Amino acid sequence: EVQLVQSGAEVKKPGESLRISCKGSGYSFTSYWISWVRQMPGKGLEWMGRIDPSDSYTNYSPSFQGHVTISADKSISTAYLQWSSLKASDTAMYYCARHSSGYYYMDVWGKGTTVTVSS
Amino acid sequence: QSALTQPRSVSGSPGQSVTISCTGTSSDVGGYNYVSWYQQHPGKAPKLMIYDVSKRPSGVPDRFSGSKSGNTASLTISGLQAEDEADYYCCSYAGSYFWVFGGGTKLTVL
Repeated sequence: EVQLVQSGAEVKKPGESLRISCKGSGYSFTSYWISWVRQMPGKGLEWMGRIDPSDSYTNYSPSFQGHVTISADKSISTAYLQWSSLKASDTAMYYCARHSSGYYYMDVWGKGTTVTVSS
Repeated sequence: QSALTQPRSVSGSPGQSVTISCTGTSSDVGGYNYVSWYQQHPGKAPKLMIYDVSKRPSGVPDRFSGSKSGNTASLTISGLQAEDEADYYCCSYAGSYFWVFGGGTKLTVL
């Protein structure tokens, strides 16, 4: 079964760093891009950026460029989303999603990781 | 890139049809035949319902259909069922490996 398994919920303080993960299984991890999508409480989906796990090439939405880092470790079929200094406004659900073989849509989604940033 | 524009809410009775619009620009919806639609039930991850404007993944009922005209894409759900009540999001490729979502539409089945 093709699936993306995300790491568990996190509770952090402002200014702390954080890395959440997304492990792919049931398919060739390096053959499909991974995107990260944010959903703030009660709000809609926002595309953050994507990575090609085969070469770790990334690109980011202008709204998120410089605020987060997307990376991948193909040896363990895992993509990451990380922050160096969290803000309260980073409180949200974060989904990873696999792009289809044709690239242009996201066909498999993880269950999401809740990140809460509060002092 | 700005978010695509969707109506905040739509509603319909069981058995009826509803259409959700998704308006973008010539740089996204109008420029590519790469619009996809996602269904999200409360507390759940999004689920792909339509891709490449009008194609349905295996397992998605044929009550769901998609179309596009100019800068506006549409999702039509016919024969509404109670389980169709959810949030729906459109998403478009915007070139140069960028994607943009719509603001989402809450579908209520009366």
